[in-house]
Amino acid sequence: QVQLVQSGAEVKKPGASVRVPCKASGYTFTGNFLDWVRQAPGQGLEWMGRINPNSGYTSYAQKFQGRVTMTRDTSISTAYMELSGLTSDDTGVYYCAREALYYFGMDVWGQGTTVTVSS
Amino acid sequence: NFILTQPHSVSESPGKTVTISCSRSSGSIASKNVQWYQQRPGSAPTTVIYEINQRPSGVPDRFSGSIDSSSKSASLIISGLKTEDEADYYCQSYDDSNHVFGSGTKVTVL
Repeated sequence: QVQLVQSGAEVKKPGASVRVPCKASGYTFTGNFLDWVRQAPGQGLEWMGRINPNSGYTSYAQKFQGRVTMTRDTSISTAYMELSGLTSDDTGVYYCAREALYYFGMDVWGQGTTVTVSS
Repeated sequence: NFILTQPHSVSESPGKTVTISCSRSSGSIASKNVQWYQQRPGSAPTTVIYEINQRPSGVPDRFSGSIDSSSKSASLIISGLKTEDEADYYCQSYDDSNHVFGSGTKVTVL
């Protein structure tokens, strides 16, 4: 079945960077855009950006421009989200989500990766 | 860019109907489609409505969606409320290469 599998929890110090992988299976990895969504503790969903796994084209939310980099490795059907200059405000759960082919929304979600930024 | 505003919380008894609104700050709510996601505590979101009023397979027909283009708002309606419907619900729309999520609504089944 279609799945997005993410890595386990990460703990980082302020100022560091974190790279979160998202491994896709059960569908053609290059056929759908892949998005990243953040959720701070007790807060709502926040869209960070998207990547076209076929071309590598990326589009980032203005809030994260300059701090986020989304990449992919098609040989292993894995997308990555790297966030630099971490602060405590970056603590939260990071989800990858597949964009649907025929509408502008997400139809499959990863289980989420918890990132904790603490000194 | 635009923002999507939802009520913070709604509550109702089992068997009743709740309606969650999603108001767009600028632009037309009908110009781009609207999705609704359900998120239970500790879990990833799942889609309950896509393209304003379409249900993915497996989602009961107690869930429905609509838009009111004159008021720039979309709505998620949950009828025949069950305890399993207790969750956070988010609307989502898209414009100018950006996805935007609503602020989220906590549904409590009394």
